[in-house]
Amino acid sequence: DVVMTQSPLSLPVTLGQPASISCRSSQSLVYSDGNTYLNWFQQRPGQSPRRLIYKVSNRDSGVPDRFSGSGSGTDFTLKISRVEAEDVGVYYCMQDTHWPFTFGPGTKVDIK
Amino acid sequence: EVQLVESEGGLVKPGGSLRLSCAASGFTFSNAWMAWVRQAPGKGLEWVGRIKSKTNGGTTDYAAPVKGRFTISRDDSKNTLYLQMNSLKTEDTAVYYCTTGGLGVWGKGTTVTVSS
Repeated sequence: DVVMTQSPLSLPVTLGQPASISCRSSQSLVYSDGNTYLNWFQQRPGQSPRRLIYKVSNRDSGVPDRFSGSGSGTDFTLKISRVEAEDVGVYYCMQDTHWPFTFGPGTKVDIK
Repeated sequence: EVQLVESEGGLVKPGGSLRLSCAASGFTFSNAWMAWVRQAPGKGLEWVGRIKSKTNGGTTDYAAPVKGRFTISRDDSKNTLYLQMNSLKTEDTAVYYCTTGGLGVWGKGTTVTVSS
């Protein structure tokens, strides 16, 4: 199975400042069709997860443009350009290139 | 509005069975690949399995911890997804989420507790 790792696992941030989460996979996430199926999810306290980013860098509808995804192969990053209070929660990366699909352990973002 | 609504979960004894359902609306369910994802208390997200659309064969895939015990099915005439859970173990205790195959839409989740 593809192992997804994230760092840091805990990220205290200052409102208005940028934040960055790293995600690494144990093997390349490039699929045979040339696409890279790496997603990012946000789970606010007490809520269902919500997909923010799909295929590395594509924002879902309604996701603020302060969220951006980048990376390739096995190394990926989620960036928040200016953290807002509503961004508090746990962020997961997930690969759906290789079955079984797998999630990272999550990065807990909170306000300093 | 796209919506997924899971049925109520419950408390089940180890070795017991439970069937969850998920009612879909606001999109063409028959064309959608669907999935179940779970989250144990205080833990991260874990895939349970998925089912393809009938036009893509309607086949299923399962994560190793549930393979042989859980069955995902669908009734496109009712826009409903199912998760049949047999031989339940205490480690199956979790919130179970119904999602679209690409995980773009999620239900609110339903709690399943396996305990004697």
